[in-house]
Amino acid sequence: EPEVTQTPSHQVTQMGQEVILRCVPISNHLYFYWYRQILGQKVEFLVSFYNNEISEKSEIFDDQFSVERPDGSNFTLKIRSTKLEDSAMYFCASSPAEYTGELFFGEGSRLTVL
Amino acid sequence: GESVGLHLPTLSVQEGDNSIINCAYSNSASDYFIWYKQESGKGPQFIIDIRSNMDKRQGQRVTVLLNKTVKHLSLQIAATQPGDSAVYFCAEKGDSGAGSYQLTFGKGTKLSVIP
Repeated sequence: EPEVTQTPSHQVTQMGQEVILRCVPISNHLYFYWYRQILGQKVEFLVSFYNNEISEKSEIFDDQFSVERPDGSNFTLKIRSTKLEDSAMYFCASSPAEYTGELFFGEGSRLTVL
Repeated sequence: GESVGLHLPTLSVQEGDNSIINCAYSNSASDYFIWYKQESGKGPQFIIDIRSNMDKRQGQRVTVLLNKTVKHLSLQIAATQPGDSAVYFCAEKGDSGAGSYQLTFGKGTKLSVIP
């Protein structure tokens, strides 16, 4: 069964460092998302991406964040200068069509900022 | 306050019993709701969705009920099994006309199934 894959599974970084989280969405999907979940809290929307551009973003997704789809398969989230409060589980998701809430999530990348 | 929330943080049920997980929402303009299941160490997994023009939708062993009058959503799981143990989130669609779905998740209810 096709699945969304994410790397790394866990990354530890120093405050102020740049981090890139990588995702390979399901191949025939058109919409791509990043969500995050701070430990023990709810899942929060960061950004959605369609047709090689951001379609929506939340207040969390400030200038420190960027997304890119550099080739036909990868979808990346970059945090330019990490802060302690960026420590969270970051989930990539994809969906095959518009107007559906059936997102397919990866297993997440845990980011720990020291 | 948050747009979507859950009444109970934990729920324990005996294997074989039915489970009911509740969710309240505050945005009366919300027109689409989804239930997700998150097992330990994994990403959320879609269970079932419902649009506001319906008040009930059934899947395999699951039923979602929507009461727009009191802005309440529930997930019923029939014959609960140990594999149903997880955190369950309700989510609603954001207020955007975009085709992508910005979902607002509630805090989650942890369901524990007692063998």
